[in-house]
Amino acid sequence: DAGVIQSPRHEVTEMGQEVTLRCKPISGHDYLFWYRQTMMRGLELLIYFNNNVPIDDSGMPEDRFSAKMPNASFSTLKIQPSEPRDSAVYFCASGWELGYTFGSGTRLTVV
Amino acid sequence: ELKVEQNPLFLSMQEGKNYTIYCNYSTTSDRLYWYRQDPGKSLESLFVLLSNGAVKQEGRLMASLDTKARLSTLHITAAVHDLSATYFCAVDGGDMRFGAGTRLTVKP
Repeated sequence: DAGVIQSPRHEVTEMGQEVTLRCKPISGHDYLFWYRQTMMRGLELLIYFNNNVPIDDSGMPEDRFSAKMPNASFSTLKIQPSEPRDSAVYFCASGWELGYTFGSGTRLTVV
Repeated sequence: ELKVEQNPLFLSMQEGKNYTIYCNYSTTSDRLYWYRQDPGKSLESLFVLLSNGAVKQEGRLMASLDTKARLSTLHITAAVHDLSATYFCAVDGGDMRFGAGTRLTVKP
């Protein structure tokens, strides 16, 4: 089991560019969560899916953020256009009520 | 919206001492999780607590859950330097919300 796989590990982009973060959950997990972590705001829940269906996206900061889960083995988080305040570590986690596993995260820097 | 509060936020303790981290939450839930995060790393699952009165222990760490009081504790026994990290609790109230974390530093 390779765990939850996120890519890229690091992303540096210019303000205004589109950024796509990717996540491959662990096979068989029902839930997938996207979090953003910053020093100032801690771990923020952005959106979560149950069986590929978005359940709650109220944590998505604004319309520039969108997330999809086209199948059980893949999810994306897209920011368009990106802004410097989007700089953070983005984590994907998958699991079910007996526990959740986090990916290694994507460190995003928008300059 | 579910609120999760941890205290203390910062904890500096000497090796060999005992201490407890507290996690309070605002709505009914019987599923609570504890994670550890080392600097620059991801979150590692420590404990999964799924019912009132649940107690789990691993090494020098013991976690418990009181759903009536909406309180979980993480107790550290005879701390060692390797336990230095940030500890998070997370509560499943339909989604999974995290506390702000407790940054633990264990000094020799």
